[in-house]
Amino acid sequence: DQQVKQNSPSLSVQEGRISILNCDYTNSMFDYFLWYKKYPAEGPTFLISISSIKDKNEDGRFTVFLNKSAKHLSLHIVPSQPGDSAVYFCAASTLSGTYKYIFGTGTRLKVLA
Amino acid sequence: KAGVTQTPRYLIKTRGQQVTLSCSPISGHRSVSWYQQTPGQGLQFLFEYFSETQRNKGNFPGRFSGRQFSNSRSEMNVSTLELGDSALYLCASSLGVPPNTEAFFGQGTRLTVV
Repeated sequence: DQQVKQNSPSLSVQEGRISILNCDYTNSMFDYFLWYKKYPAEGPTFLISISSIKDKNEDGRFTVFLNKSAKHLSLHIVPSQPGDSAVYFCAASTLSGTYKYIFGTGTRLKVLA
Repeated sequence: KAGVTQTPRYLIKTRGQQVTLSCSPISGHRSVSWYQQTPGQGLQFLFEYFSETQRNKGNFPGRFSGRQFSNSRSEMNVSTLELGDSALYLCASSLGVPPNTEAFFGQGTRLTVV
């Protein structure tokens, strides 16, 4: 049972435009969400997180939106740059007790110059 | 500040053998987690250690085990290797105490079982 789903395996966006990566989850106990970026042959790099008490968190070009009622989160990258081309994973956890992340299967973003 | 260090980076083993992977966390981090990444499966949680105690374990067979030392360094062991164990094994460290639970990953160990 995939508790965290990234239904788009890949996404292509023109440089300078907005990239929107989506993630859905099924477990209502999740209260902490993260996005990671992964280049080939490297480990995932932490990008941004959000707790369930917020519906938006921004860090530079990256903004994460959380819609708890829809159990949906999205990562917006504006403007997209060729260096953003990577695989993006969303992950979910509970702040109390489980000490593990449940990851989605990833979305490969390609930013076209 | 040094990041998470995993050794070795690449490993080739034969079916039936065992393997030990090592992870040195970021200085000051007491939590170490291990994940398995295979194509199409994302990252699957193996186990998490905090101050030498396993706090959580994923749905993997008993052939997968781990431990953490007093200096927070961690090892994971896979016995009786199977072809399906071929994967990228990632270690992540964090402070481990909510809300400071962002995990920082190493580059991983690529294990190939032949």
